[in-house]
Amino acid sequence: ETGVTQTPRHLVMGMTNKKSLKCEQHLGHNAMYWYKQSAKKPLELMFVYNFKEQTENNSVPSRFSPECPNSSHLFLHLHTLQPEDSALYLCASRYGTGELFFGEGSRLTVL
Amino acid sequence: EDQVTQSPEALRLQEGESSSLNCSYTVSGLRGLFWYRQDPGKGPEFLFTLYSAGEEKEKERLKATLTKKESFLHITAPKPEDSATYLCAVRKETSGSRLTFGEGTQLTVNP
Repeated sequence: ETGVTQTPRHLVMGMTNKKSLKCEQHLGHNAMYWYKQSAKKPLELMFVYNFKEQTENNSVPSRFSPECPNSSHLFLHLHTLQPEDSALYLCASRYGTGELFFGEGSRLTVL
Repeated sequence: EDQVTQSPEALRLQEGESSSLNCSYTVSGLRGLFWYRQDPGKGPEFLFTLYSAGEEKEKERLKATLTKKESFLHITAPKPEDSATYLCAVRKETSGSRLTFGEGTQLTVNP
């Protein structure tokens, strides 16, 4: 248990569906991240939020829409995805300039 | 361009056979080098942070070292439960919250 909880753990969706990934951290951290992990590729930063404000958007397509209502919760809203968006989506949190703590990930399959 | 390169891509060891994993980086103004362990289907688990050349950190059978161009993760007398993918990441002065990850080394320890 890392203190970062992601739901759902697995998600299968069609290209026309709308779904959301949820992340909650119980560590009192002030920054939250979304990363994408595809097979044989390095972790790819998507978004960063510090104290609920978005501080990084790594040129992510608009079909991915993040939401951070408070420092403990982070969502990734998904709509009209493509099969190449199938991947493991990882949420992480951090306090100050310390290390990242990751959740277990949400395995997304787009049909 | 900043780069983080891990080698080898995959490594098979016999139980008790010590070895090292390499992470070489080409970033200016390093603000931290991080090692993570990732088990299949799970999120990365933090192992070590190194900040300056010459620094070393140890945890059980693992020891991480840092020079100005690379880091090594030494595994002494590994056990099958050490089998995992080991990820290296760097943060630089001007990157703010961003970590740049390598592709990882997949370690298998056979009994």
